Amino acid sequence: QQQVKQSPQSLIVQKGGIPIINCAYENTAFDYFPWYQQFPGKGPALLIAIRPDVSEKKEGRFTISFNKSAKQFSLHIMDSQPGDSATYFCAASMVKGGGNKLTFGTGTQLKVEL
Amino acid sequence: DTGVSQNPRHKITKRGQNVTFRCDPISEHNRLYWYRQTLGQGPEFLTYFQNEAQLEKSRLLSDRFSAERPKGSFSTLEIQRTEQGDSAMYLCASSLTSPAGELFFGEGSRLTVL
Repeated sequence: QQQVKQSPQSLIVQKGGIPIINCAYENTAFDYFPWYQQFPGKGPALLIAIRPDVSEKKEGRFTISFNKSAKQFSLHIMDSQPGDSATYFCAASMVKGGGNKLTFGTGTQLKVEL
Repeated sequence: DTGVSQNPRHKITKRGQNVTFRCDPISEHNRLYWYRQTLGQGPEFLTYFQNEAQLEKSRLLSDRFSAERPKGSFSTLEIQRTEQGDSAMYLCASSLTSPAGELFFGEGSRLTVL
């Protein structure tokens, strides 16, 4: 069964805080794990992605931590800013043999307050 | 801007009418995906094309839904005999086959069925 479970559903942090969003997957054939950011009225945009051969990837203020044995991965946003307020989706796909079609989590609404 | 373009952005229709959405992908991308997103949920995969071939359709895609990608360029998604449950944002995304990875999403076409 191809499911990706995401938590929490919503999150409020203060400016400068470090929100953490968690995802868990079931299908061990998944080999690509991206995080997308979506603003109201816009399509999702890729933030950062990781392959299962590494345990952590950092790009700017965004870090993915990946635990292959637990089938979990998480997004950390360092020094969060009000402009980071958006909905974040984790996703997973099979790049090889799966057409790279993404299975998305249910999303986390993040609000960063001043 | 040569990103993924979707038209119309908004469509209001009465139950039972047919609607068609168009997606123009990034020009060099040979893969094109359709997703559906309802309020508070992550995008759900509907179908995808590699060039002009429709390679996979989700069980979510009932017989009332049809998608085409003639000549492997733009794509259309038609919904016949619309129902209120079809109200959603229809997202199109495109990507390269190699190197596989990032899906680039359009801003979506929002359908409201009255």
